Amino acid sequence: GDSVTQMEGPVTLSEEAFLTINCTYTATGYPSLFWYVQYPGEGLQLLLKATKADDKGSNKGFEATYRKETTSFHLEKGSVQVSDSAVYFCALSPRDSSYKLIFGSGTRLLVRP
Amino acid sequence: DAGITQSPRHKVTETGTPVTLRCHQTENHRYMYWYRQDPGHGLRLIHYSYGVKDTDKGEVSDGYSVSRSKTEDFLLTLESATSSQTSVYFCATLGGGASTDTQYFGPGTRLTVL
Repeated sequence: GDSVTQMEGPVTLSEEAFLTINCTYTATGYPSLFWYVQYPGEGLQLLLKATKADDKGSNKGFEATYRKETTSFHLEKGSVQVSDSAVYFCALSPRDSSYKLIFGSGTRLLVRP
Repeated sequence: DAGITQSPRHKVTETGTPVTLRCHQTENHRYMYWYRQDPGHGLRLIHYSYGVKDTDKGEVSDGYSVSRSKTEDFLLTLESATSSQTSVYFCATLGGGASTDTQYFGPGTRLTVL
């Protein structure tokens, strides 16, 4: 079945460091891909998305490119801030009538001042 | 923000008791979802609804039932709670218009089954 694999955390970085969180997927067909972020004690918020191959999603300095050839959707940010500390989830939505989300296990990011 | 509220926000109950969690939305979204979040598993789909009285199972539906009698409310029931159902439960709705593939999440309900 469809699945998402993302790098285990926690990832600890200093402020202004470069961030990469790896995400790969297995799916039948061409799913939509998402990154969601969860701040402590809150629900999930959409960070960015891409719906077809070579699309780049971007938001708040974060970027991810839908790579069909490598089945990947890695999250990057050039300069992280303390306020980026959160748990990041990669997810896919298969192109079926449910529009459900299949999530990776999440990666906790801790940014130190 | 899809105006999603969940109640209760926290609940402690005992094994064998029934529990109902409520999700309420104000955006008239057609699709609604229940997920559970557990360490190491991310979020996993329990059940979803694609309209009033229309529901279907997700990946981890055993021990759960749902009902949707109104567009705005989606109820999740644990008929006889077990310790393995201790988790954080999130409700979500599927956006409309330009956001038809985007899910919006509620704040979650933390359930502890003793």
